[in-house]
Amino acid sequence: GEDVEQSLFLSVREGDSSVINCTYTDSSSTYLYWYKQEPGAGLQLLTYIFSNMDMKQDQRLTVLLNKKDKHLSLRIADTQTGDSAIYFCAESPRGGKLIFGQGTELSVKP
Amino acid sequence: DTGVSQDPRHKITKRGQNVTFRCDPISEHNRLYWYRQTLGQGPEFLTYFQNEAQLEKSRLLSDRFSAERPKGSFSTLEIQRTEQGDSAMYLCASSWERSGRAPPDTQYFGPGTRLTVL
Repeated sequence: GEDVEQSLFLSVREGDSSVINCTYTDSSSTYLYWYKQEPGAGLQLLTYIFSNMDMKQDQRLTVLLNKKDKHLSLRIADTQTGDSAIYFCAESPRGGKLIFGQGTELSVKP
Repeated sequence: DTGVSQDPRHKITKRGQNVTFRCDPISEHNRLYWYRQTLGQGPEFLTYFQNEAQLEKSRLLSDRFSAERPKGSFSTLEIQRTEQGDSAMYLCASSWERSGRAPPDTQYFGPGTRLTVL
């Protein structure tokens, strides 16, 4: 079946690294995505990774993909208070619709 | 390059009333998606269009829900005889089926319409 799971909360201090984890069930997804949602707003695309890649770096963001374990992670370096938000991972197993996790609320303390 | 827009941003209605939401996608995008998000959850897929054709509908989309995209541009989502359980954020996204700066079919979201049913 299609299922994406994330831990619900993460709290870090400003300047530290944050690591948000995600597991998914459908190995047919060509791309996996990370989105950010601030309170009362829509989803902002942060980054994506092609399923044949192990790692992708994009400025402060690093995505790691372990396809064997169906595990995806998002690392945010030098986390800032403006990074406080809910982060969603999503898979697209057959193209078309996205299957989202329940979101990880990141709280950054000064 | 304007993003996806949704109207209204907020809607409060009484149980039993009908409501209609509108989504305007990014202009060159041929695919348009509707999702529903309840508090503390991730978005759940409702339906999607490629041009004017509705290609997939979720089982979540009961017969009280109907979506249209008559000319392959904007879309409307109507909920008839609203129930309190329909209270949620309704999100629209659009994508282009071919690759560009991002992979094909990368979805970009609007700000959402928050529906409250009293």
